[in-house]
Amino acid sequence: EVQVVESGGGLVQPGRSLRLSCIPSGFNFGNYAMSWVRQAPGKGLEWVGFIRSRAYGGTTEYAASVRGRFTFSRDDSKSIAYLEMNTLNTEDTAVYYCARARGSYIFSFDVWGQGTMVTVSS
Amino acid sequence: DIQMTQSPSSLSASVGDRVTITCRASQSISTYLNWYQQKPPKAPKLLIYSASSLESGVPSRFSGSGSGTDFTLTITSLQPEDFAIYYCQHSHTIFTFGGGTKVEIK
Repeated sequence: EVQVVESGGGLVQPGRSLRLSCIPSGFNFGNYAMSWVRQAPGKGLEWVGFIRSRAYGGTTEYAASVRGRFTFSRDDSKSIAYLEMNTLNTEDTAVYYCARARGSYIFSFDVWGQGTMVTVSS
Repeated sequence: DIQMTQSPSSLSASVGDRVTITCRASQSISTYLNWYQQKPPKAPKLLIYSASSLESGVPSRFSGSGSGTDFTLTITSLQPEDFAIYYCQHSHTIFTFGGGTKVEIK
């Protein structure tokens, strides 16, 4: 079965850091770009970050709201992706979804995890 | 960055109705647009990519159209399982989502 599973969420104090993980299965991880999307309680979807496959340079893109604070990385040898989140604030409280990004120039997010909850609170 | 605006933000409809949701981009995005369905608290599901291509396994009552700045998602003959929240998304470099359209039962 093709799937991705997120982990690493939890309760964290404002100003602290947290690292989320995304573990794929059922597909060749190295061939795909990946993305993170979050959803604050009762709110809509917000795209967070994107990482291309190694074939396209493994480069990253970020939403303005997290640029400079969040870092998206991947380790193809271990088939795992990470979202390092620094200087967290209460507005970062959300369910964080990892998604497979299908395509090469334009992308669609065709496989989603179940999400991991991040709560930023003192 | 490109902004994506959906309308309406919510609508009420009956089973069997034809429903149309609109998404407008702040600048031309060709056909770089996806549509998703979400039934909270579940993860979103891809319905349409490249503005009008139906994702495998998605019922044919769903269709997408448009290019440039104006796009539509149409559901012909709304089914009980279609009551959900629908999002459009720009599909290149900065993957901005629209604010969502909640389809509720009338």
